[in-house]
Amino acid sequence: KAGVTQTPRYLIKTRGQQVTLSCSPISGHRSVSWYQQTPGQGLQFLFEYFSETQRNKGNFPGRFSGRQFSNSRSEMNVSTLELGDSALYLCASTSLAAEGTGELFFGEGSRLTVL
Amino acid sequence: GESVGLHLPTLSVQEGDNSIINCAYSNSASDYFIWYKQESGKGPQFIIDIRSNMDKRQGQRVTVLLNKTVKHLSLQIAATQPGDSAVYFCAEYDSSASKIIFGSGTRLSIRP
Repeated sequence: KAGVTQTPRYLIKTRGQQVTLSCSPISGHRSVSWYQQTPGQGLQFLFEYFSETQRNKGNFPGRFSGRQFSNSRSEMNVSTLELGDSALYLCASTSLAAEGTGELFFGEGSRLTVL
Repeated sequence: GESVGLHLPTLSVQEGDNSIINCAYSNSASDYFIWYKQESGKGPQFIIDIRSNMDKRQGQRVTVLLNKTVKHLSLQIAATQPGDSAVYFCAEYDSSASKIIFGSGTRLSIRP
């Protein structure tokens, strides 16, 4: 089975621009969650989607948004980029069997640099 | 507020020795405690988890211990190998809130 696939792996943007990141979960996984990883703040939860519905949301400003499609693929968008948005953005999926356990399968991340 | 913290940010271990990585948590409502391993340039990888009604669980070369009295979690790696070099994160999961909180991570380095 293919793992969680995130694109693009690396990207550079300038302040004020917007960015869209894509995530394809493991086949059969319907839950997709997003995390921001920075050296200073560690791994922080952004949001979780299940069957195209946002099920949970972290404490991030409204500039961060996401969505999930009927095939479980997910995208997250960050508008009006700030320097502090530079981070590794990780997507994770969960199987139905692992629902409610915290067992996540992570992709390799999209590294965003904001100049 | 809730927090999951790690006692040591870095740990250096002789190859072949056992490694012990510690973690403190504060949310008594958490149902599961999980350990993840993150190698350089990769996403975190699930290692092992333990339910809150257990105090010990063993996997392949790894053992997780849970002490609810002092809200402490540890990961023991037996016969540490160079491939174990990574950052290890503990995490706690509260199923009633569908909320997972990650610790700040411990970097494990292996001395030859």
